Amino acid sequence: AQTVTQSQPEMSVQEAETVTLSCTYDTSESNYYLFWYKQPPSRQMILVIRQEAYKQQNATENRFSVNFQKAAKSFSLKISDSQLGDTAMYFCAFMKHTGANSKLTFGKGITLSVRP
Amino acid sequence: ETGVTQSPTHLIKTRGQQVTLRCSSQSGHNTVSWYQQALGQGPQFIFQYYREEENGRGNFPPRFSGLQFPNYSSELNVNALELDDSALYLCASSTSLAGGSYEQYFGPGTRLTVT
Repeated sequence: AQTVTQSQPEMSVQEAETVTLSCTYDTSESNYYLFWYKQPPSRQMILVIRQEAYKQQNATENRFSVNFQKAAKSFSLKISDSQLGDTAMYFCAFMKHTGANSKLTFGKGITLSVRP
Repeated sequence: ETGVTQSPTHLIKTRGQQVTLRCSSQSGHNTVSWYQQALGQGPQFIFQYYREEENGRGNFPPRFSGLQFPNYSSELNVNALELDDSALYLCASSTSLAGGSYEQYFGPGTRLTVT
């Protein structure tokens, strides 16, 4: 079974600054995906970024980038130039690469507040 | 392209009652997954449907059941409601290829309160 751990319950960052959200996971799988989802107060879960485990290059999407350390089973999210709209809960999630029951396993989430 | 929709947005039920939640998947997606999110927690996988058949189930009792229809929309049914069933129920759709799935796109959720 897979587990995802987000040990920081809350973080705060000043607008325009950079913040890093941490995530570790445990799995015996060799091929898998990792995701960061954002859930603002509106409740809609929005995909922020994904990483395929077989890719060594870290994924980047505009202001969002990840630091994927496969050996350490670490998957952190860096948000650059933080904006007020980034205020939300952020969830790290794991998914097996293939096969049936391709469910997402989520961490407990971290609440990020961006201060004006 | 139409996104994932869920209905109703909110509902309140009494312990022991039954409830049906509905989900319309994103255009082109053939797989629907359901998750339960308790307040302040991450979503927990309930089950997944692929081509109208259950394709995996999480650690939820049999009183949680589902359906997927030919148009890939889905229902989640919960019988004999308990207070602990109060949560946000999220539906996510995706495209499955060769038995595996990929990115899941979520609907806005249904907030269920059991009193």
